[in-house]
Amino acid sequence: DAMVIQNPRYQVTQFGKPVTLSCSQTLNHNVMYWYQQKSSQAPKLLFHYYDKDFNNEADTPDNFQSRRPNTSFCFLDIRSPGLGDAAMYLCATSRDYLTSGRAGNEQFFGPGTRLTVL
Amino acid sequence: GEDVEQSLFLSVREGDSSVINCTYTDSSSTYLYWYKQEPGAGLQLLTYIFSNMDMKQDQRLTVLLNKKDKHLSLRIADTQTGDSAIYFCAEKGSYIPTFGRGTSLIVHP
Repeated sequence: DAMVIQNPRYQVTQFGKPVTLSCSQTLNHNVMYWYQQKSSQAPKLLFHYYDKDFNNEADTPDNFQSRRPNTSFCFLDIRSPGLGDAAMYLCATSRDYLTSGRAGNEQFFGPGTRLTVL
Repeated sequence: GEDVEQSLFLSVREGDSSVINCTYTDSSSTYLYWYKQEPGAGLQLLTYIFSNMDMKQDQRLTVLLNKKDKHLSLRIADTQTGDSAIYFCAEKGSYIPTFGRGTSLIVHP
């Protein structure tokens, strides 16, 4: 089945040790998103791509970077993880931006990667 | 304050109806969504409503929208233990949804 896949599901890293989270999609969607979700908080959008066009949210720390080498894959790099970066990281896709009013442009979410920072 | 607000917890008895409430601030919102997140999983779109509607029903789910008060609710009829999850309200004013903090629905026998 077409889906959004995230690897690994659980990631443990040490304070300051770079880590890369992976997302892949078989939906051939144009838009890919990375969200950070902490307990009892709303998912926080970090950045998104429309195809190869990168869009960074203004309050996303410089410690977070992203790459999208092709339509199917998107990576989240945390250069120097701090304790405050421990969270669930969610990848999502949509066929297009949700602008046209077509509900078919809904977001599809992956299962998330739980990051623990020791 | 937050753009989308929800209460954090709701506890109901199995078989009762659950009503999860949400308020939002963006009056230009065109679509409003309800997502469900089960433990260890990503968010799954449950249902949505267009802003020119005031009600939408989909099997056990009923969405009510009061655009004047910017209030959205999700009613789950005959709540089951499998409905236990976190429910997120989201509104789309610009091109990307803004999510609430989620309401944890606890269903007990």
